[in-house]
Amino acid sequence: EDQVTQSPEALRLQEGESSSLNCSYTVSGLRGLFWYRQDPGKGPEFLFTLYSAGEEKEKERLKATLTKKESFLHITAPKPEDSATYLCAVDNAGNMLTFGGGTRLMVKP
Amino acid sequence: DGGITQSPKYLFRKEGQNVTLSCEQNLNHDAMYWYRQDPGQGLRLIYYSQIVNDFQKGDIAEGYSVSREKKESFPLTVTSAQKNPTAFYLCASSIWPTGYTFGSGTRLTVV
Repeated sequence: EDQVTQSPEALRLQEGESSSLNCSYTVSGLRGLFWYRQDPGKGPEFLFTLYSAGEEKEKERLKATLTKKESFLHITAPKPEDSATYLCAVDNAGNMLTFGGGTRLMVKP
Repeated sequence: DGGITQSPKYLFRKEGQNVTLSCEQNLNHDAMYWYRQDPGQGLRLIYYSQIVNDFQKGDIAEGYSVSREKKESFPLTVTSAQKNPTAFYLCASSIWPTGYTFGSGTRLTVV
């Protein structure tokens, strides 16, 4: 059974204080690992897809990396508007995603 | 613009009542999904459909039903058998390698 565990559950940062979110996974055959951002009361918004170990992708202050066991979402010099819940999910080639519980990020000015 | 439309945004259900949540997509995606999200928790799969006229149970299908008569539509009915239906419901569609596109959600409350 595929499993995805995200840590920490919640993270408070000061504006400009860089940090990383972790996504550990076990999957029978990884086809892709996805990162989403979710604002309160809204649907998740796609950020990145990573396909193989060693791959990295960047978007503004966010950088996602992937190893064979985990993925990190690095946030550099965050701003208050980066506050959201970040969700990680894996696709095992069954055309279904298994989601982690999410990390709730709060960035204070 | 292509996307997924969920309606209504807010829905109130009385005890013993069935309610139907609408999900429509114009992305030409074959696969569609329904997820439930409880406060502070991740997404749990209720039902999914890979093609028209076919659907499969997810992890928490009890008390729910779906239909997939058209590629564009995947409505979810929350039946009276679902004892704790208050939650945020998300519909999604997908096509590889784009991943999932989500709707804006329906918040269901039992009154």
